[in-house]
Amino acid sequence: EIVLTQSPGTLSLSPGERATLSCRASQSVTSNYFAWYQQKPGQAPRLLIYGVSSRATGIPERFSGSGSGTDLTLTITRLEPEDFAVYYCQQYGSSPGTFGQGTKVEIK
Amino acid sequence: EVQLVQSGAEVKKPGESLKISCEASGYKFTSYWIGWVRQMPGKGLEWMGIIFPGDSDTRYSPSFQGRVNISVDKSISTAFLQWSSLQASDIATYYCARQPYGSGSFFDSWGQGTLVTVSP
Repeated sequence: EIVLTQSPGTLSLSPGERATLSCRASQSVTSNYFAWYQQKPGQAPRLLIYGVSSRATGIPERFSGSGSGTDLTLTITRLEPEDFAVYYCQQYGSSPGTFGQGTKVEIK
Repeated sequence: EVQLVQSGAEVKKPGESLKISCEASGYKFTSYWIGWVRQMPGKGLEWMGIIFPGDSDTRYSPSFQGRVNISVDKSISTAFLQWSSLQASDIATYYCARQPYGSGSFFDSWGQGTLVTVSP
């Protein structure tokens, strides 16, 4: 099973700032099959990014994904108030499709 | 519009059985894999397993193999997650979600979650 480690655990930032979230896999992931999800309290996760860098339908351009192999990055260029949430990476190139432990982006 | 609507919260006693559901609409149910994801209180997401409604092909995470059963009823476009004997460690919110691109895919649409509580 591929283990995903996200860093940092918590990111304290102000609205308008840039957020950079990292995700590292314990081994290389087939075909860069990585995704990112956003989860707000009391809500189901929402797909943001798939295939490392493809934005899901309706996701604003301020969200972007990059990386390959074992290292993945989610960047939020300018944080909006609604972006403060927990973010999870997932690899789906190898079964089971494991998730990272999450990064909480909180208001500073 | 793709929609996954899950059954309501459950409160059960240890040792009891439980079956929760996920009703799909807005797409051809038999053509897309559906998965189940566990989230224990205050914790992250855990991939439990997936099923292809077309032929009931099912894949489980080793962590959940033998502990839960995933099934579907094509006639009502509904997927199920079932326990034969609940334990306190099963307390969690369970989400169903659709995989748009085969058995190795991300989840593009999610149900609202079903909270399962196990208490004596």
